[in-house]
Amino acid sequence: SAVISQKPSRDICQRGTSLTIQCQVDSQVTMMFWYRQQPGQSLTLIATANQGSEATYESGFVIDKFPISRPNLTFSTLTVSNMSPEDSSIYLCSVEGRGLTDTQYFGPGTRLTVL
Amino acid sequence: RKEVEQDPGPFNVPEGATVAFNCTYSNSASQSFFWYRQDCRKEPKLLMSVYSSGNEDGRFTAQLNRASQYISLLIRDSKLSDSATYLCVVARFMDTGRRALTFGSGTRLQVQP
Repeated sequence: SAVISQKPSRDICQRGTSLTIQCQVDSQVTMMFWYRQQPGQSLTLIATANQGSEATYESGFVIDKFPISRPNLTFSTLTVSNMSPEDSSIYLCSVEGRGLTDTQYFGPGTRLTVL
Repeated sequence: RKEVEQDPGPFNVPEGATVAFNCTYSNSASQSFFWYRQDCRKEPKLLMSVYSSGNEDGRFTAQLNRASQYISLLIRDSKLSDSATYLCVVARFMDTGRRALTFGSGTRLQVQP
């Protein structure tokens, strides 16, 4: 599996501000995924980020709120814009393993608290 | 109805006990199945894939019943270190060729000395 790092590991932010989360992978990958895990909940996919094209967003998530960049095959960023306390969550990036039946591997996550 | 359903627990068991978790999924087009483990304040980590023939990895046995759309995880001889939340994950290919994962809400296991 790939080695994935995220920055920052945690942050406390004021409402109305924005935070950009970085995800770095130690190998080139076609797709990177951004998930949210709210307190006590399971993971929800926000969007899929392909290099060289716009991200694909899941229902309930929009580009204005969660802009994503994917400048190369090892890096992606997710911005949480105009934050409110409801955005307090863990944000995780993931990449697919190799092979048709392989699954996804996750970064350590970014724990965001919005006051 | 949720696409992947799990009993949230918690399951409180003594060390050495055998414990089983169940999971049901609603989409018959689902193709791949996994169990992940998530420790408190950590990211989910793949525990094992689940195959129709059933598969075993040490103390862990996973089974899949496609007809009933049911997945199980059995843990034998529970250790304190098994305490975690176990996530049932179902994957299918979308029309775009992308693989979509759906996560259950997890079953919490607490192994007690």
